[in-house]
Amino acid sequence: QVQLQESGAGLVTSSETLSLTCSVSGGSLSGYFWNWIRQPPGMGLEWIGHISYSGNTKYNPSLKSRVTISLDTSKNHFSLKLTSVTAADSAIYYCAKSGGSWFDPWGQGTLVTVSS
Amino acid sequence: SYVLTQPPSVSVAPGQTARITCGGNNIGYKGVHWYQQRPGQAPVLVVYDNTDRPSGIPERFSGSSSVNTATLTISRVEAGDEADYFCQVRGSTGDPLFGGGTNLTVL
Repeated sequence: QVQLQESGAGLVTSSETLSLTCSVSGGSLSGYFWNWIRQPPGMGLEWIGHISYSGNTKYNPSLKSRVTISLDTSKNHFSLKLTSVTAADSAIYYCAKSGGSWFDPWGQGTLVTVSS
Repeated sequence: SYVLTQPPSVSVAPGQTARITCGGNNIGYKGVHWYQQRPGQAPVLVVYDNTDRPSGIPERFSGSSSVNTATLTISRVEAGDEADYFCQVRGSTGDPLFGGGTNLTVL
C-alpha cells in the first residue's frame, strides 16, 4: 500500500523560496501522477500541480509563474518549489497520488508558515 | 470559471442519514469525487467517480448525481463521521477543482 510523507522547512521568509519533498513508499512512481495540494488553516483545498512519471508537469494557472514540481525516480520522491512566497502562501501542503481524476492516498501534510 | 457550491454545514443526529450536496453547472456529466477530512488529519477519499467506494470505506457512504447537483449520502451516521467533506471535479480547464467544504456535525 502506497504511503506518502512530506518533508521540508516549516518556516519560510517572505520573498524566499518554499521547498518541500514528498517521499513515496510501498510502491513505484510509475504509471501515476504525483500532486501537490494546499490548504490554508481553516479553509478549503487548492490544487497546485502535478508531475507524471515521464516528467510532464501541469500547474494551477494562478501559481504557474512561481511553481516547479520535479521528480527523482532514483529516490522515489518528488518535490515542490514555490518562489517569491508571501503570507498568502502559508498553508498545510499535502502531496497526493492520482491515477484517475481523484486523489488517493494523501500524505499527512506539512504546515508551512511564511514570516515577514 | 467552473464553481462548486457546498453548504457550509450540515447537522444530523446519530443513526440518521446525512446528505451533503455539491452544486455545479451540469455536474451530472462530470466525475465527482468526495473526501472526508477529520480534524487535524489529511483528506481521505470516500467516493470516486460519483458512486464508487475505495476499499475500506463503509457501505454507509454512497454518492449520487443529477444534472446540477451531486450528493454524498451517509447512512446510519456515527460520531466518528463528524468531519469536513469536500467534493472535487475536473473544472472547465481540466484542472482539479474542489468545493468549499461542508462541516458535518453529529448532534
